[in-house]
Amino acid sequence: SQLAEENPWALSVHEGESVTVNCSYKTSITALQWYRQKSGEGPAQLILIRSNEREKRNGRLRATLDTSSQSSSLSITATRCEDTAVYFCATETGFASALTFGSGTKVIVLP
Amino acid sequence: NSKVIQTPRYLVKGQGQKAKMRCIPEKGHPVVFWYQQNKNNEFKFLINFQNQEVLQQIDMTEKRFSAECPSNSPCSLEIQSSEAGDSALYLCASSLGVQDTQYFGPGTRLLVL
Repeated sequence: SQLAEENPWALSVHEGESVTVNCSYKTSITALQWYRQKSGEGPAQLILIRSNEREKRNGRLRATLDTSSQSSSLSITATRCEDTAVYFCATETGFASALTFGSGTKVIVLP
Repeated sequence: NSKVIQTPRYLVKGQGQKAKMRCIPEKGHPVVFWYQQNKNNEFKFLINFQNQEVLQQIDMTEKRFSAECPSNSPCSLEIQSSEAGDSALYLCASSLGVQDTQYFGPGTRLLVL
């Protein structure tokens, strides 16, 4: 079973609007990562937020982390069509430092 | 942008056949991970290497899957006797260190008929 889960499963927005994806996790973490996977590509890391951080920004992206509720969110402002992708949160497990991914949220940005 | 190269991009095999895929990590990255991503977007870690040495692998990998990362050659993942349930996207990722950012290749999509 996944250690991290995103919600919603899928959503669509129009270009220029903002979108937020949420993630909940079940284990103690040292950091949480957000990845984006476009069609035909592998996942690409967007933001890494450590357990002692509450917020992290990267351009139009903003991630938050609430360790008390074991949840995180990723917000994208001023969305563009090229932001269309599946967004995953991921945590690093102690086993081989492998990543455990959530099931992903598909975000579709419409023109 | 990731510079991890995976070949082939698509692989079609019959049940019981061998399936082999290759990965060239980013230059200077000694750590390589293999993951399996199924059609439900569920990821499963398979094995990782540091240079030519296996760091960890899951039980499934120990049975029908074999992998290696020889020096001066691409890393490879081979399924000895493919099963329908092996149909998935196989992702290779490389990193500078075991706990550093992993950079993923585009994957090899395996279809076992």
